[in-house]
Amino acid sequence: GQQVMQIPQYQHVQEGEDFTTYCNSSTTLSNIQWYKQRPGGHPVFLIQLVKSGEVKKQKRLTFQFGEAKKNSSLHITATQTTDVGTYFCASTTDSWGKLQFGAGTQVVVTP
Amino acid sequence: NAGVMQNPRHLVRRRGQEARLRCSPMKGHSHVYWYRQLPEEGLKFMVYLQKENIIDESGMPKERFSAEFPKEGPSILRIQQVVRGDSAAYFCASSYDPNSPLHFGNGTRLTVT
Repeated sequence: GQQVMQIPQYQHVQEGEDFTTYCNSSTTLSNIQWYKQRPGGHPVFLIQLVKSGEVKKQKRLTFQFGEAKKNSSLHITATQTTDVGTYFCASTTDSWGKLQFGAGTQVVVTP
Repeated sequence: NAGVMQNPRHLVRRRGQEARLRCSPMKGHSHVYWYRQLPEEGLKFMVYLQKENIIDESGMPKERFSAEFPKEGPSILRIQQVVRGDSAAYFCASSYDPNSPLHFGNGTRLTVT
């Protein structure tokens, strides 16, 4: 079954606003990865978090790994139209690294 | 520095035909993964291969689907006797090692008529 649950499924954001998408698991995760897929495109790797409580930033994107390593969040500030797409979190289930993806958060930005 | 190359980009097959999807990993990558994506849905793991070996095929249907990654040449995902439900985008990804991030190809969009 699916290892990670993502909420919300859809996110409508006004340009310039901030939003957060969440990734939750019932089990402890060894790591969490985030990918972005533009409409009609392919998933592109954004970041990997490994340590408990880890926070990483990429310009307007802030990624966080929970202290218990059971959840993660992606926060985007001052949303732009280029942020449109679906954001997936993914985590490994086995020691060899098979990635299981969440269902994704589809982000729509209105100007 | 070519990325993951998949072909064809679009593939149309009639019910009962065979579909062959090809994937060449990034240079230096020996780990290949196939994922399937239905419209408006997430990515479902199908199979993980290394050169000449299938490591995990737990996400691949046991009938009609097969995958290989020969010593020479691209990885092939083969779907025999396609049905309408096989219509989806099939993405290939590669990585340097099992715990490295995945690099995805542009995908093959399969349509079964």
